[in-house]
Amino acid sequence: DSGVTQTPKHLITATGQRVTLRCSPRSGDLSVYWYQQSLDQGLQFLIQYYNGEERAKGNILERFSAQQFPDLHSELNLSSLELGDSALYFCASSPRATGTGYQKLFFGSGTQLSVL
Amino acid sequence: LAKTTQPISMDSYEGQEVNITCSHNNIATNDYITWYQQFPSQGPRFIIQGYKTKVTNEVASLFIPADRKSSTLSLPRVSLSDTAVYYCLVGDPVKTSYDKVIFGPGTSLSVIP
Repeated sequence: DSGVTQTPKHLITATGQRVTLRCSPRSGDLSVYWYQQSLDQGLQFLIQYYNGEERAKGNILERFSAQQFPDLHSELNLSSLELGDSALYFCASSPRATGTGYQKLFFGSGTQLSVL
Repeated sequence: LAKTTQPISMDSYEGQEVNITCSHNNIATNDYITWYQQFPSQGPRFIIQGYKTKVTNEVASLFIPADRKSSTLSLPRVSLSDTAVYYCLVGDPVKTSYDKVIFGPGTSLSVIP
């Protein structure tokens, strides 16, 4: 158990809908990262938050947004869903205090999103 | 950033030692090498990280030659539970952020009974 909690584990929805994925980082970790993993794209970095502020951004679609709350949990919002958004979405957290740099990541078990 | 190249897949029998090599010809002076393991439908798990020579922990060993242009992850006496995808990553722990670090396709290791 990595200590990172993601909910829900599975999500089935229809095209055009909006969903919210939730992540609770390990106790004490200030950074949260979101990744998308699909069969054809591999593990893709989406976005990083550090102590409530966006710190790094990857190839995240404009239809996707995220935030980190004062209690450090994070949510990833996916809207106007398309079939191609079906994937495993992972959240990770890291312990380094500064929120910068290449750090050891602890991943959650993921949310499997199926868009029908 | 240093690009990494590793075999797409490998097969091994149970009980054998498995060595997965990663090439990173353009590794920078301050870059470290990190390996992650991912089981099906689970998030990646940090295995080991090193800068030079040899690093060993309870899971694996990491061998890095003097020129640091490659590294080898060594898994001793693999079992069926070691069947997973193994990712080699290279980056500067201080300056490189994860938006610049690419996991790549990794090496899919299949352990055969």
